[in-house]
This record gives sequence, C-alpha cells and structure tokens, in this order.
Amino acid sequence: QVQLVQSGIEVKKPGASVRVSCKASGYNFSSYGISWLRQAPGQGFEWMGWISVVRGEGNIAEMFQGRVTLTRETSTRTAYMDLGSLKSDDTAVYFCARDPHGCTNAQCHSSFDHWGQGSLVTVSS
Amino acid sequence: DIQMTQSPSSLSASVGDRVTMTCQASQDIGTDLNWYQQKVGKAPKLLVYDAANLEPGVPSRFRGRGSGTDFTLTINNVQLEDFATYYCQQFDRFPVTFGQGTKLDIK
Repeated sequence: QVQLVQSGIEVKKPGASVRVSCKASGYNFSSYGISWLRQAPGQGFEWMGWISVVRGEGNIAEMFQGRVTLTRETSTRTAYMDLGSLKSDDTAVYFCARDPHGCTNAQCHSSFDHWGQGSLVTVSS
Repeated sequence: DIQMTQSPSSLSASVGDRVTMTCQASQDIGTDLNWYQQKVGKAPKLLVYDAANLEPGVPSRFRGRGSGTDFTLTINNVQLEDFATYYCQQFDRFPVTFGQGTKLDIK
C-alpha cells in the first residue's frame, strides 16, 4: 500500500534551518509529485510548494519563496523540504503529500491522495 | 490568492442525522475543489475530488456538490467515525488554498 513516512520531531531556535524528509513506498515514486503543506496549532493548512519527482523541479508558494527548498532523491525514494530563517510562527506540523499533477503558475491541479504522518517543528528560543 | 470560506466553523449532530457544510470561493473556480476529512492528531484524508467525485473507498453517504463559487459537502446518516474536521481546497489557481475548516462534533 502507498505509504509516506516522515522524519521526527524537531526543535529549533529562531534563525536556524530545518530539514524534513518524506520516504515513499508502495508506488512508482517517479510517477507522482510531492507537495508540502503545514498546519499551525489549531489552524488550517498552508500549501508550501510542489516538486515533480521525475524532473526534480517545481514551484514554491510566494510566501515561502527564498526560505524553502524542495528536493528529492530517487534512489532512496525520499523527498526533502528545507526551511530556513526560522521564526516562532513557523511552529507547525509539516506534511508531505502525494500530488500527481502539482500546482504551478502555468497550471494547477493539485490533489493530495496520500499523506505522511506529519512532522512537528517547534521554533523557540 | 483565492480565498476559501467555510461555514459554519462548527456543527453539532447526532448519529443518523444529515448535515451539510458549505465552502465559498472568492472567485469562480469551476469544479476545481476537493474535500478532506481530518481527525485529531492525524493527517487529512481525501474524500471528494473535482467537487463531486468520491475517492475510492469513501462511503456513499458523503456527497459533494457545486461549481463556480459555491460548494457543499453533505453527510447523510452521520456515523460515529464521521466526527472530524472537514476542509475544502481549491486547485484552480496557483497557489493552492484551503478553507479554515468545519468541525463536526457530537450533539
């Protein structure tokens, strides 16, 4: 069955960076993209961006541009999200999700049919 | 960005009830809308895609309708496992945006 397994809890200081990983199994990793989303405590969802696994490129939402980098390693079936210049309001649960078509400025057709379990990132001094 | 507004923010129901929640987009998005269910401490689950299509395995008591700017999710004969928070998501325009959710709890 399709599974996305994320890395664990992170506690970071303001100004630091964090990397969250997402290991996929149960499907052809290269046939789908991966989106990253976050959910602050008690809040809704913010979509951060999408990476095409086959091409290794994608799009980042404007509010995260310059701070987020999305990469993937096909040999290990793992996607990564790096978030820099952390602030206290980056405290959230970060999710990866399988996203067949993605969302770019040219076209958008994102649907998230399988999700990772979430990774809590806490930013505190 | 397209704003998605869900109402009500919370809803109380008993097992066996029918409930309807709404999602309004700030501009015409056709049928480019999905619905998700999230239980506490869990990742969301895709229920409905393209406004009206049930994801495989989702019970037929769930029904999504609408197009343009106004959408609804109806649950007929609410079951205990349906008490959760429901989110709508648009994918018509970059960036993807979500509503703030409707929490369905037990009356």
